Amino acid sequence: KAGVTQTPRYLIKTRGQQVTLSCSPISGHRSVSWYQQTPGQGLQFLFEYFSETQRNKGNFPGRFSGRQFSNSRSEMNVSTLELGDSALYLCASSLEGGPETQYFGPGTRLLVL
Amino acid sequence: AQRVTQPEKLLSVFKGAPVELKCNYSYSGSPELFWYVQYSRQRLQLLLRHISRESIKGFTADLNKGETSFHLKKPFAQEEDSAMYYCALSGVQGAQKLVFGQGTRLTINP
Repeated sequence: KAGVTQTPRYLIKTRGQQVTLSCSPISGHRSVSWYQQTPGQGLQFLFEYFSETQRNKGNFPGRFSGRQFSNSRSEMNVSTLELGDSALYLCASSLEGGPETQYFGPGTRLLVL
Repeated sequence: AQRVTQPEKLLSVFKGAPVELKCNYSYSGSPELFWYVQYSRQRLQLLLRHISRESIKGFTADLNKGETSFHLKKPFAQEEDSAMYYCALSGVQGAQKLVFGQGTRLTINP
C-alpha cells in the first residue's frame, strides 16, 4: 500500500505570495490532518479534514486554509505569505481520525524569502 | 490549555545503558498520550500509545496521572534507537488533533 504523499517536496516563495500544498492520503483513509513544524514552535496542528469537512482546527490565522476532495486528497493554502511561514508542513492520514492509525507524509519544506 | 513538555532537547547515552525520555503534560481531562519517533531521513511514525500498554522495540511508557507524566523507557539502549522522539497528547478521544512536545534527540554512543 502506498504511503502518504505530499507535493511539492520543496518550495520557495516570496513575501506576499500565496501557496498551495497537496496531500494524497493512504488509499481508504478518510481523515487528513496538517501540521506545521518549525525549529522555534515545534510541531503544531493546523487542521483536520474528514469526508470533505473540516473537523478540527488549530490556532492559526485565517491566512491558512484547507480543503478536502471527494477522493480524500487534501490541499492547504497559505495566502499573503510571511517570513515566519517558512516551515516543514506535514500531512497525516488515518482511517477515521484516530491518532493510533495515523501515518505521516514526508512533508513539504516551504521557504519564504 | 493542553501542553506537553519534554525537558531534554538532547540526550546521549551509551549502548547497553538504560534510557529514559521524560514527558510531562498539562490537561484537565483524560488525555491519550503517544510517543512518536523520527529516524534519520525517515517519516514521523507512531512508536506507542498509553492505551495499548505495549512494548515496542523494547520501549515502554506508563501514564502517571498523579505526576502528569508519560516517560519513555528502555532498559538497554541500542545504536539503532538514535532518533528524534516526540511525546504527544490527544485531548479528545478519536481526534487527530495532537499537541506535540518539542522533542528529544536521543543519541546512542557505541
